[in-house]
Amino acid sequence: EPEVTQTPSHQVTQMGQEVILRCVPISNHLYFYWYRQILGQKVEFLVSFYNNEISEKSEIFDDQFSVERPDGSNFTLKIRSTKLEDSAMYFCASRPRASTDTQYFGPGTRLTVL
Amino acid sequence: AQKVTQAQTEISVVEKEDVTLDCVYETRDTTYYLFWYKQPPSGELVFLIRRNSFDEQNEISGRYSWNFQKSTSSFNFTITASQVVDSAVYFCALSANNAGNMLTFGGGTRLMVKP
Repeated sequence: EPEVTQTPSHQVTQMGQEVILRCVPISNHLYFYWYRQILGQKVEFLVSFYNNEISEKSEIFDDQFSVERPDGSNFTLKIRSTKLEDSAMYFCASRPRASTDTQYFGPGTRLTVL
Repeated sequence: AQKVTQAQTEISVVEKEDVTLDCVYETRDTTYYLFWYKQPPSGELVFLIRRNSFDEQNEISGRYSWNFQKSTSSFNFTITASQVVDSAVYFCALSANNAGNMLTFGGGTRLMVKP
């Protein structure tokens, strides 16, 4: 069964450094999402992406964040200058086409900012 | 604005007990979708069920059942004869067409099933 994959599973970085989190959505899916979950808290929406552009973003998704689909398979989240409070689990999700479709999540990348 | 509330932050039961996880939602949209996801200790989010706002039929899948009541804006989840492997955090979530189909999650309920 096809699944969303994410790399790396765990990333440790120093405050102020740039990180890129990578996702490979399910191949025939058209809508892509990033969510984050600070340890012990709820899952929060960051951004949605369709047709090579951002369709929605939350207040969390400020100028430090960017997303890109550099080729036909990868979907990346870049954090330009990480802060301690960016430490969280980041989940990528994708869904096929219709609004009735379910979002399927990747296993997540745990980001630790020191 | 959308909101999902899971009032129970933690529930502890003994194996074989039945347990119900509550979920209450708020939305102004007439078309919306409700979800339950399971997050086991390994951390991934596992999709369990999706219901749309026009379908209030309850659903049963094995030991799992869901009760959707529009009148009370609730979408509760019952596990019958709980097992230790059911121990996880369970999230209720909502999406609506007018909100870009992004998922709004509740705070989650940590279920601990003791042997």
